[in-house]
Amino acid sequence: NAGVTQTPKFQVLKTGQSMTLQCAQDMNHNSMYWYRQDPGMGLRLIYYSASEGTTDKGEVPNGYNVSRLNKREFSLRLESAAPSQTSVYFCASSPDSYFQETQYFGPGTRLLVL
Amino acid sequence: DQQVKQNSPSLSVQEGRISILNCDYTNSMFDYFLWYKKYPAEGPTFLISISSIKDKNEDGRFTVFLNKSAKHLSLHIVPSQPGDSAVYFCAASAGNNNDMRFGAGTRLTVKP
Repeated sequence: NAGVTQTPKFQVLKTGQSMTLQCAQDMNHNSMYWYRQDPGMGLRLIYYSASEGTTDKGEVPNGYNVSRLNKREFSLRLESAAPSQTSVYFCASSPDSYFQETQYFGPGTRLLVL
Repeated sequence: DQQVKQNSPSLSVQEGRISILNCDYTNSMFDYFLWYKKYPAEGPTFLISISSIKDKNEDGRFTVFLNKSAKHLSLHIVPSQPGDSAVYFCAASAGNNNDMRFGAGTRLTVKP
């Protein structure tokens, strides 16, 4: 059981470049989430997917798009990266988003936008 | 607008002593609170939670206390061990997992 996996672990982009962060879970969870963590701030929710086929905006969605490819995979896309998107990105999953349950986090992707 | 605040960025305690990590919140709709622990280069992992219908929850060396009137919760670790050295995040939600709010974290260092 790998839990939640994320690729890549680290990425450097130039302003204006695009990239997709990949996330997969093998726990058969219905709900998946993307967070970003910045110094001095807590994790902030970017987008979530309550179930396969649905996605919704979180607290800080601007500049991002997501795709829930299937039950296992939830990707985060930056179409035109900006320095303000330099952050550590965490993917998480939980059995169901409509209940208050533990979320299981991946190891994170560290993104630097120059 | 940070609805969950951890005002101490860091805390250092001696092995065997008590560690007390604090968290304050502003949203009175929050009804479920969690503590996550994070080691470097890893994702946060769940530690302990408490529902707003309780004021205390224990799990081994870890106890979370909730004071709803003060909108304050705390995590007690007794006795503290060097392996407890990590960043601890407080989190809160109102009704579901779709809008979980996290504090900025407190870095705990337990000295041998």
